[in-house]
Order: sequence, then structure tokens, then C-alpha cells
Amino acid sequence: NAGVTQTPKFQVLKTGQSMTLQCAQDMNHNSMYWYRQDPGMGLRLIYYSASEGTTDKGEVPNGYNVSRLNKREFSLRLESAAPSQTSVYFCASSGGTGRVLTQHFGDGTRLSIL
Amino acid sequence: SQQGEEDPQALSIQEGENATMNCSYKTSINNLQWYRQNSGRGLVHLILIRSNEREKHSGRLRVTLDTSKKSSSLLITASRAADTASYFCATDTPSGTYKYIFGTGTRLKVLA
Repeated sequence: NAGVTQTPKFQVLKTGQSMTLQCAQDMNHNSMYWYRQDPGMGLRLIYYSASEGTTDKGEVPNGYNVSRLNKREFSLRLESAAPSQTSVYFCASSGGTGRVLTQHFGDGTRLSIL
Repeated sequence: SQQGEEDPQALSIQEGENATMNCSYKTSINNLQWYRQNSGRGLVHLILIRSNEREKHSGRLRVTLDTSKKSSSLLITASRAADTASYFCATDTPSGTYKYIFGTGTRLKVLA
């Protein structure tokens, strides 16, 4: 049981390049999330998808787009990468009863933008 | 802005001692969760406490919640070197939009 799988694990980009971070979960969870983690700032929510077919902005959505491809997959796209987007990106999914949701995280994608 | 703020930012203790870390938040919540993050890994859920609960236990973990002070504490008893990690609190949002807001974390180092 893999849980939440993120690809790639590491990536180096040049300013202006684009790329898509992939995330897949095998727990049949409805909700999925993308966070970025910067030193001393904890996790900040970029986008989330409460259920298949819906996406909503989080705290720091600028410069990013997302696609909830199906119930399993939620991708994050950087259209024109900037050095300020150098960070560790985590995908998570959540399941539970009612509105009490516990989150399951992937191991992250470490992204450097030069 | 961050909903949760952990205190202290870093904590270093000897193996066998207890570790206490605190979380303060700003708005009303339905529940609060604690997560652990080992170096280079994703976060792992530890424990959840609902707003109508005051204390909860799970193994060597004890969580308290004081909604009047908008604060929570996580106590790890008889700490082990394997407890070395960062610990985060996460609160749901008042509007209940299926999202959580994480604090800045406490880095715990347990010395053998």
C-alpha cells in the first residue's frame, strides 16, 4: 500500500521553465492538497481539491495551477518558474468521517529554480 | 497568515526526559491535530483532539486543548532518540472548507 506518491523527488529548473509535479493516492480519499514548505514558515496551502472535479485556492496560489485528473491524481503546474518558487512541495490526501479529516502526506518534491 | 504558532521553535532534551510543545491559534476551531515530520520526509498524523475534548492520550503522547485560550500542548513522555523530528499543529478553518492550516513547527532533538 503506497499511500501518497509524488514524482519527481528532486528537480532543478531554470527561471521561466515550466513543469508539472505529479501526485497520486491509493486510499480512495476524496480530498487532496498541495503545500509548499519553506524554512521557518511551516506548510502553506497552495491549492486543494475537496472532491473530484473541484479545486480551490489556498493561501499562496499565485504562479501555480492544478488539475484534479481523477479521484486518485492531483497535479501541480508551474507555468513560468521563478526563484521564489524554490521550495519543498508536499502533496496530501485526506479521508475521514464528516468534516474530521486526517491528512496523509507524500515525501515531497524538492524543487530548485535557478 | 499562519493559524497556528508553535512554541518553542526548537527544543533539545536528553533521552528519557519529557518534551512539551505548545500551539496557539487565532480563530475558533472544530478540531486540532498534531503531526510529526522526520528529516526529509512527509508529515505523519499523530493525534486529533476535538473542540469539545480537553485531553487525549495515545501511547506516550498526551494532548491538551484549551479553547478559551486558543491553545494546545503536546507532551511526549520518556522521550527517545527516535522522537527527534519537527512537530506541527494543524487547525481546521471556521468555515469548514475541508482544509487545515499548519503552524510553523517545533524542532525537537532528543540526545542519547
